[in-house]
Amino acid sequence: EDQVTQSPEALRLQEGESSSLNCSYTVSGLRGLFWYRQDPGKGPEFLFTLYSAGEEKEKERLKATLTKKESFLHITAPKPEDSATYLCAVQAYTDKLIFGTGTRLQVFP
Amino acid sequence: GAVVSQHPSRVICKSGTSVKIECRSLDFQATTMFWYRQFPKKSLMLMATSNEGSKATYEQGVEKDKFLINHASLTLSTLTVTSAHPEDSSFYICSAEPSNTEAFFGQGTRLTVV
Repeated sequence: EDQVTQSPEALRLQEGESSSLNCSYTVSGLRGLFWYRQDPGKGPEFLFTLYSAGEEKEKERLKATLTKKESFLHITAPKPEDSATYLCAVQAYTDKLIFGTGTRLQVFP
Repeated sequence: GAVVSQHPSRVICKSGTSVKIECRSLDFQATTMFWYRQFPKKSLMLMATSNEGSKATYEQGVEKDKFLINHASLTLSTLTVTSAHPEDSSFYICSAEPSNTEAFFGQGTRLTVV
């Protein structure tokens, strides 16, 4: 069964304190792994797509990496405005997205 | 990125009434759109896949007579929650993929049934 597990469930960081979020997955035929940011009461906002192991993508303070079993979202020197829930999703050859439960990140000044 | 607009953002309705939620792709055509439901602090759960010009495909356990989906044009899909009950209260989100790659999501609709 296709499955996505994110950890930690919640993360509190001091401004400037770098950290990583984990997304472990099992899927029969990975088409892509996606990272989204979701603010309270809003729909998910697209961040990255990763397609193959070893791939990396960066956007401002965020960097996403992918292995055959997991993905990491590294946050470098976070700011309070980075506070949000970060969702990971995988897409198998069925085209459906399977989401993890997310990591709620809080960054304090 | 592509823009998907969802309306309304919040709705309160009485038990037994029906509510329609619209999902529009503003700058691209979408033959397929997806409808999700999200419970507090939970993951997005796919409810159904909306197909332009044909019947929607529902996920296991989703009542198709309760959640009516219509995809009448290449830019509009609607979800109607029929005979709503308090247990239908939730956050509903739609998505579409402009080039069959990444999905872009609407703003979500908070439905409260009283």
